[in-house]
Amino acid sequence: EDKVVQSPLSLVVHEGDTVTLNCSYEVTNFRSLLWYKQEKKAPTFLFMLTSSGIEKKSGRLSSILDKKELSSILNITATQTGDSAIYLCAVGAQKLVFGQGTRLTINP
Amino acid sequence: EAGVVQSPRYKIIEKKQPVAFWCNPISGHNTLYWYRQNLGQGPELLIRYENEEAVDDSQLPKDRFSAERLKGVDSTLKIQPAELGDSAVYLCASSSRDRDSPLHFGNGTRLTVT
Repeated sequence: EDKVVQSPLSLVVHEGDTVTLNCSYEVTNFRSLLWYKQEKKAPTFLFMLTSSGIEKKSGRLSSILDKKELSSILNITATQTGDSAIYLCAVGAQKLVFGQGTRLTINP
Repeated sequence: EAGVVQSPRYKIIEKKQPVAFWCNPISGHNTLYWYRQNLGQGPELLIRYENEEAVDDSQLPKDRFSAERLKGVDSTLKIQPAELGDSAVYLCASSSRDRDSPLHFGNGTRLTVT
């Protein structure tokens, strides 16, 4: 059975801290790993990582895919209160399997 | 471009009643997905359409759930009759033919069954 596990499930830090979120997976059909940010409504797309693109960066956010370890990390530097959200990891091909998410809270 | 549009935003019904959700995907996106997200969990796929064809409905509880995408554009997901355990957020998503196209989600419908 395909499985995506995220850790930690919950994280509380102070504004300005750097955080690292983890995602590990076991899927039968891998094409890509995606990271989403979910506030009170729709998950919004952050990054897609594939075998040909294992590292992505956008501003204070960056992500790396480790295909050997079947895992990925999402880093956020200089965190801001607006980064507070649930971060979802999804893995697969046509069918995406989602992890439980990491609830990140940034305190001022 | 306009995003994925879902309605209603919220729905409260009593158990055993029917309910329907509607989704209009991003223009030009041929793949449409319905996901269910329980509290504290990640989204779980219910059904995936390629144009008007349901290509993966293995996770759809077919005794009470049905879906359609008649013209390959907008889609409706129905539950009849609803049960208490159906309370969740129902998310619609769409993607283009490009194999590197990510899923784009709508705002979801929060269903509460009392």
